[in-house]
Amino acid sequence: DVKVTQSSRYLVKRTGEKVFLECVQDMDHENMFWYRQDPGLGLRLIYFSYDVKMKEKGDIPEGYSVSREKKERFSLILESASTNQTSMYLCASTGSGNTIYFGEGSWLTVV
Amino acid sequence: AQKITQTQPGMFVQEKEAVTLDCTYDTSDPSYGLFWYKQPSSGEMIFLIYQGSYDQQNATEGRYSLNFQKARKSANLVISASQLGDSAMYFCAMRGYNAGNNRKLIWGLGTSLAVNP
Repeated sequence: DVKVTQSSRYLVKRTGEKVFLECVQDMDHENMFWYRQDPGLGLRLIYFSYDVKMKEKGDIPEGYSVSREKKERFSLILESASTNQTSMYLCASTGSGNTIYFGEGSWLTVV
Repeated sequence: AQKITQTQPGMFVQEKEAVTLDCTYDTSDPSYGLFWYKQPSSGEMIFLIYQGSYDQQNATEGRYSLNFQKARKSANLVISASQLGDSAMYFCAMRGYNAGNNRKLIWGLGTSLAVNP
């Protein structure tokens, strides 16, 4: 079975902290994505990566950065967390096939 | 511009009945794919069904079928014989297959389905 694993299911961080959200996939997929999901706004793309060390901004990259040093791992970084980054974060991956696979989601609360 | 529209914020259906969730799309890509995902309250996104724009037949996966009407740019999801476990958010999404636009998914805002016993 394809698996996309997000390192933390629930996190609570303080304003100004640096936050790392990790995502690992085990299917050798080229493409990996980070989304955030907020009520009434659907899924919004933060960043995606189509190869190791390659990344592209999505629709809402401000306040976020990413790292893809290995093909299986795609990290989302909040350099200085703010309360408006409280959200659910979803990682996804896809290869040459049509199906996009998602992790279970990470619920981040910034206080 | 690419866009997905789901006009039904919420739907109710009686257990064992069929329900149709609407999805319309807009794209200039000649080749594209349409997806439906289910998101229960636990948060994970579960892939349900896929339809390619050049597929001759409407896609089916068990109780899920996709009513694809290309000329009308609609890709409605039909769930037959609804079960209580079908209560969830349902998202329609699209992926274009041109060279510069083949990685990103465009998402609708979702439809919340409640199945009543």
